[in-house]
Amino acid sequence: DTGVSQDPRHKITKRGQNVTFRCDPISEHNRLYWYRQTLGQGPEFLTYFQNEAQLEKSRLLSDRFSAERPKGSFSTLEIQRTEQGDSAMYLCASGGRVGNTIYFGEGSWLTVV
Amino acid sequence: RKEVEQDPGPFNVPEGATVAFNCTYSNSASQSFFWYRQDCRKEPKLLMSVYSSGNEDGRFTAQLNRASQYISLLIRDSKLSDSATYLCVVLTGNQFYFGTGTSLTVIP
Repeated sequence: DTGVSQDPRHKITKRGQNVTFRCDPISEHNRLYWYRQTLGQGPEFLTYFQNEAQLEKSRLLSDRFSAERPKGSFSTLEIQRTEQGDSAMYLCASGGRVGNTIYFGEGSWLTVV
Repeated sequence: RKEVEQDPGPFNVPEGATVAFNCTYSNSASQSFFWYRQDCRKEPKLLMSVYSSGNEDGRFTAQLNRASQYISLLIRDSKLSDSATYLCVVLTGNQFYFGTGTSLTVIP
């Protein structure tokens, strides 16, 4: 257990519904990342926060995706109007000092039916 | 061009064998390098950082060649428990870029 927790661990939703995932990073970590991973692929970067500021966002991220980290602690990732192609594992990772490694939560599995 | 490229394998090796994985990265400005291990349907976990001088952790040895933009991982005396996917990871700026992973199965 790395200390990064994600909720829910599994979510099955119907196409067109909205879903929200939550990530609680390691408490002293100011960096937080969201990634998406599908089978046979490595994690794909979605967005990055340093404290409460969203500093980077993938160009591949459509307008249906939004992330927040309102108080620089936990973060949420919302997907609106889900599509079947959104089915994946959504991973959250946190890190301390820049340049240091990052630690992942167990991931949130999304299945869109 | 992808930021990080790895041979996806799969590598199937007998117990006790030595196996090597390679990885190349495209951005010469990348500043930090890592190997992560990922078990099936689990999250990636840090295996080791990679330093220019090379570094070793038990049966695992990592090497970095900045001139060639090449990273390697050597596993000696493979154990059944080493079966996993090994992800090459490069930090460029604030972003960690992951390779697609190399699948290893150690056979009894």
